[in-house]
Amino acid sequence: EAQVTQNPRYLITVTGKKLTVTCSQNMNHEYMSWYRQDPGLGLRQIYYSMNVEVTDKGDVPEGYKVSRKEKRNFPLILESPSPNQTSLYFCASSPREGPNQPQHFGDGTRLSIL
Amino acid sequence: AQTVTQSQPEMSVQEAETVTLSCTYDTSESDYYLFWYKQPPSRQMILVIRQEAYKQQNATENRFSVNFQKAAKSFSLKISDSQLGDAAMYFCAYRSLPNFGNEKLTFGTGTRLTIIP
Repeated sequence: EAQVTQNPRYLITVTGKKLTVTCSQNMNHEYMSWYRQDPGLGLRQIYYSMNVEVTDKGDVPEGYKVSRKEKRNFPLILESPSPNQTSLYFCASSPREGPNQPQHFGDGTRLSIL
Repeated sequence: AQTVTQSQPEMSVQEAETVTLSCTYDTSESDYYLFWYKQPPSRQMILVIRQEAYKQQNATENRFSVNFQKAAKSFSLKISDSQLGDAAMYFCAYRSLPNFGNEKLTFGTGTRLTIIP
């Protein structure tokens, strides 16, 4: 089954404790992206990657890091989490070929930073 | 930069009736894509319908249809014969034409739809 898998789905942690949210897709997609969803703000892009070893900032990259060492994986790293990073996070992927390929979303990760 | 506005934070409709969710956007681009996503309580992001700006014909998917007014930069979603399973948050989203750059989706703030039995 084609899917984007995020882990964990829920995490409660404390300020300053490094954490990683994993994202893996099994569709051989080149493009991957991270979004955060906050009430009243919709979803906003954090980082994206157009292929292996190619990453760039989105609209709200502060406090986050990413890496793309393999095509299927695109982890989101919070080196020193703060309460303002409490949010719902989504990973998404899509192929590059074709003019109209919709993005596939993971099921979301709810992060609470105390 | 593109912006997407959903001016209705909440809407409700009687089961089996029709409801229209509004979305406007701002862009200087002439070609682009527009989407409606549904987010039920399970939090999944489910693609409902999409529209290519170069197509004048409005997209339709079963009970879901759009009214795309390019000149007015308006992209509303009509849900006919509303069902209890349609209850969700609905997001309107914009994407520029792919040019091997960032394929970012720009989202509106969402409209929470309640279905009244």
